[in-house]
Amino acid sequence: QQQVKQSPQSLIVQKGGISIINCAYENTAFDYFPWYQQFPGKGPALLIAIRPDVSEKKEGRFTISFNKSAKQFSLHIMDSQPGDSATYFCAASDSNYGQNFVFGPGTRLSVLP
Amino acid sequence: ETGVTQSPTHLIKTRGQQVTLRCSSQSGHNTVSWYQQALGQGPQFIFQYYREEENGRGNFPPRFSGLQFPNYSSELNVNALELDDSALYLCASSRVLRSDTGELFFGEGSRLTVL
Repeated sequence: QQQVKQSPQSLIVQKGGISIINCAYENTAFDYFPWYQQFPGKGPALLIAIRPDVSEKKEGRFTISFNKSAKQFSLHIMDSQPGDSATYFCAASDSNYGQNFVFGPGTRLSVLP
Repeated sequence: ETGVTQSPTHLIKTRGQQVTLRCSSQSGHNTVSWYQQALGQGPQFIFQYYREEENGRGNFPPRFSGLQFPNYSSELNVNALELDDSALYLCASSRVLRSDTGELFFGEGSRLTVL
């Protein structure tokens, strides 16, 4: 019940295309859903996050879509760029338990020039 | 404002040994968390400290222990090292305890190899 599932494991997109990564969770106590971006040799960095009271959040080229009834959420990267090539992790937390995040296994995104 | 810094960046130990990893949080951050990231996997929560007290623990045995100091630094100690402990250990800090009201900032990690 603590798992967060993530797909696909890897994704190759042409420059200018749309990258879509999907996640699913089971624990209905989760109330905060961030996405992290990690470059090789670096720690994860917060990209965008959403709470379950909204169905969509957009920041620049990055959009989270959230479906509370299906317990699914996804990251859309519009106009993907080679600089977006990184590993992306979805995560979830019950905010009553502090900075205790359950991470998905990650998606390695490669954007071809 | 400096970021989260960790030391050492890489280290090699043998099975059964003990290791101490260190972290310096950002100034003013009263919450520090430690995560274990196995190769090709997502980070896994070990524990967090809030105002120098352990405040939440993941599914890790007692041989994983930690400390948080008043000067925003923190330690992760692992006793009786096992081969499966080989991983990237990430320290992260935040201004607040609640995950939905304050960003979690990660360091670049300490890569531990157990032979």
